[in-house]
Formats: sequence, C-alpha cells, structure tokens
Amino acid sequence: SQQGEEDPQALSIQEGENATMNCSYKTSINNLQWYRQNSGRGLVHLILIRSNEREKHSGRLRVTLDTSKKSSSLLITASRAADTASYFCAGGAGSYQLTFGKGTKLSVIP
Amino acid sequence: DGGITQSPKYLFRKEGQNVTLSCEQNLNHDAMYWYRQDPGQGLRLIYYSQIVNDFQKGDIAEGYSVSREKKESFPLTVTSAQKNPTAFYLCASSIYQDQPQHFGDGTRLSIL
Repeated sequence: SQQGEEDPQALSIQEGENATMNCSYKTSINNLQWYRQNSGRGLVHLILIRSNEREKHSGRLRVTLDTSKKSSSLLITASRAADTASYFCAGGAGSYQLTFGKGTKLSVIP
Repeated sequence: DGGITQSPKYLFRKEGQNVTLSCEQNLNHDAMYWYRQDPGQGLRLIYYSQIVNDFQKGDIAEGYSVSREKKESFPLTVTSAQKNPTAFYLCASSIYQDQPQHFGDGTRLSIL
C-alpha cells in the first residue's frame, strides 16, 4: 500500500486567504488522490492527478505532483468558511489499497 | 441519487457481543471497502472486495468479518474478538482499483 502523509497537521487561515497543504508518499504511484472530510461525515473525493501530470486544476483547487520528490500539494484559493474540513491524500499504485495519512485539519475563520 | 448508505449511524456494543454494520451502494461499483478511523487519525483498511463472493484482508482485519453475497451489499461484523472496537467505521466503493472511492457517512460504534 502507498503511504500518504499530510503536512501541516493543522492550518488556520482567514476567509479569502489561500490554503496550501502538502503530501508525501514513499513508493511509486500511478495517481495521487485528494479527499475532504467534514466533521462526522464520510470522505469526498476532490481531485485525482496521474503520475504523468504535473499540475491539475478544478475550480478553486490546484494540485501539483512532483514524482521525483514523491510529494504533492493541494492549494485552495480564496478560501471560504465552508472549506473548513480535514483533507487527506492517498496514492494509487495498481492495487485496491489506498493508504490515507492522518490528514490536514483546515479551519477557515470568517 | 446514487450513493452509499451506511446504517445505523450510531451503534452500541455490549461486551462479548457481535454487531453488524450495514453498507449498501447503488453505484454499480464492483469494489467495496471497509475502513476504521480513530480520533485524529487517518483511515485504516479492514477488508475490501473486488467482486461478489470475493474479499481480501486489509491492514487490520483481526476481530472483523465480512461477506459479499450481492454486488450492492458489503456488511461488516465486529466480533467479540475485537477488543477495542470503539471507532468511526466508513464504507466505500469504486469502479476499479486506483479509481476514486465514494464513501458513506459512517457508523460510530461505542462500547456500553
């Protein structure tokens, strides 16, 4: 299984600011996925970036992937209070097992 | 609407008791998964199933059992052998390996 570790563990920003979260993994992957979890709820898939892609956008989300450094970052631009959640990364590598890290807990202050 | 339904939302277990958590999906996905999440932690894989009548152990399968008799259903039984069952349990499904997983809203299990 592929290890995902997010950094920082917690992040607090003002509404309107940008939020950047980082993810590192240990072995080769086919893709890197980001998920959001609101308190007490299930995870919601946000974006998938393939190993041959370097950057991907979806609305206010921007994901980068650096396979040489085994790292990825998730940028949320113009954050809103509704973005308050935990964010997890997980690497897919040709198996059914995705390994999730402990996540980054984002708090967006109105 | 397509999705995953987990029930019940809250469940209480007595010592020595087995309990079963329900997971149903109408997404027509072949693969289904069970995860355990402890406070402030990530998700740990308990079991997964690639197809009906087949399932594989994940990283923490001891004390748990599953069945996959129908494509839509993947129930998880927490047995009395699981000595620390208090956690948030999440069920998920996907079309295939490496593809995005769709999650239910979880079952929170506590010990009486």
